[in-house]
Amino acid sequence: EVSLLESGGGLVQPGGSLKLSCVASEFSFSDSPIHWARQASGKGLEWLGHIRTKVNDYATRYAASVSGRFTISRDDSKNTAYLQMNRLKTEDTAMYYCLRGSGAFDIWGQGAMVIVSS
Amino acid sequence: DIQMTQSPSTLSTSVGGRVTITCRASQSINRWLAWYQQKPGKAPNLLIYKASSLQSGVPSRFSGSGSGTEFTLTISSLQPDDFATYYCQQYDTYPYTFGQGTTVEIK
Repeated sequence: EVSLLESGGGLVQPGGSLKLSCVASEFSFSDSPIHWARQASGKGLEWLGHIRTKVNDYATRYAASVSGRFTISRDDSKNTAYLQMNRLKTEDTAMYYCLRGSGAFDIWGQGAMVIVSS
Repeated sequence: DIQMTQSPSTLSTSVGGRVTITCRASQSINRWLAWYQQKPGKAPNLLIYKASSLQSGVPSRFSGSGSGTEFTLTISSLQPDDFATYYCQQYDTYPYTFGQGTTVEIK
């Protein structure tokens, strides 16, 4: 089954770091741009950023709210994308999703919960 | 950033009823608009892309229309499985942005 599966969520203190992983199954991961989005409990969806493919030099782009703190990377040999989150704030508490697509996202992971609290 | 505004925020409808949700963009996004359905505790599911193209596997009772700044999602005959929250999303310009969501409730 075509899928994405996030892992690495958890509880972290403000100012801390966390790295999420997103493993792809049953599709050509290396040919797919991967995006990350988040959703705070009971709230709407926020696009965070993306990483393009090798042919596009693995270019990345970020939302202003996370630029300079979050970094998206990928390892095509492992069919895995990553979201490195540094200098976390309480307002970063949310469910984090990785997504496949170039604009409209046809595959979403099940999400990884990140709680930033002291 | 392009702001996406959905209306209404909540909709109460009976099974079999017709539902129309509107999404307005703060500037033209051509037809680069997607619609998603989200059920509690689940990730969103793509329904419509490029304003009116039905995603594979999505029932034909879902349809989308519009271009520029105004778009609609229509459910022609609401089924019990359709009670959920619906989001629009523009992918014309970075950062991609979502509407605030429309919750369809049982009347």
